[in-house]
Amino acid sequence: GENVEQHPSTLSVQEGDSAVIKCTYSDSASNYFPWYKQELGKRPQLIIDIRSNVGEKKDQRIAVTLNKTAKHFSLHITETQPEDSAVYFCAASKGSNYQLIWGAGTKLIIKP
Amino acid sequence: NAGVTQTPKFRVLKTGQSMTLLCAQDMNHEYMYWYRQDPGMGLRLIHYSVGEGTTAKGEVPDGYNVSRLKKQNFLLGLESAAPSQTSVYFCASSSPGQGIEQYFGPGTRLTVT
Repeated sequence: GENVEQHPSTLSVQEGDSAVIKCTYSDSASNYFPWYKQELGKRPQLIIDIRSNVGEKKDQRIAVTLNKTAKHFSLHITETQPEDSAVYFCAASKGSNYQLIWGAGTKLIIKP
Repeated sequence: NAGVTQTPKFRVLKTGQSMTLLCAQDMNHEYMYWYRQDPGMGLRLIHYSVGEGTTAKGEVPDGYNVSRLKKQNFLLGLESAAPSQTSVYFCASSSPGQGIEQYFGPGTRLTVT
């Protein structure tokens, strides 16, 4: 079955710097790749997603890139701010019932 | 519009006890999901439903049962709780006509002693 690996497990960056989180997936039939943000004690919330027919998508300070050949996708956060501190999850999906297979998560720490 | 709600928010069970977690959504979503979240392991799908009266197994279904008698509700049952089921449980819903985004409930923290 599908497997999604996410790295790093913890990422600490200086406020204002950029952060990059990477995920790889195993099933070449996967065609939808969302990123969710989970603040401490809160529920996961979608922040950006990309479909397999697009190589890159951007929304203000966040962007996602997809390399279908290498089967990996990445989340880029620029000009990081304290409110970006959270756990970020990547996921992959291929089925019509939209089951998501999740990465293990990356704890992003923004240092003041 | 409450979105996705879960009942209860916290629960402590003794080994062998049973309980039911209730998830309700008011967005008329077709799909509903139950996940468990354990430290360092992300979200793992327990069971899901693609419509009223239907359920299917996810990645970690053992020890759990579900029912979707009404479109807006998805129940997760633990028949005989075990310490390994200590976790945070999230319910989510989505609709194929609304971009696949899964909307999560606030979670239920379950401790089995």
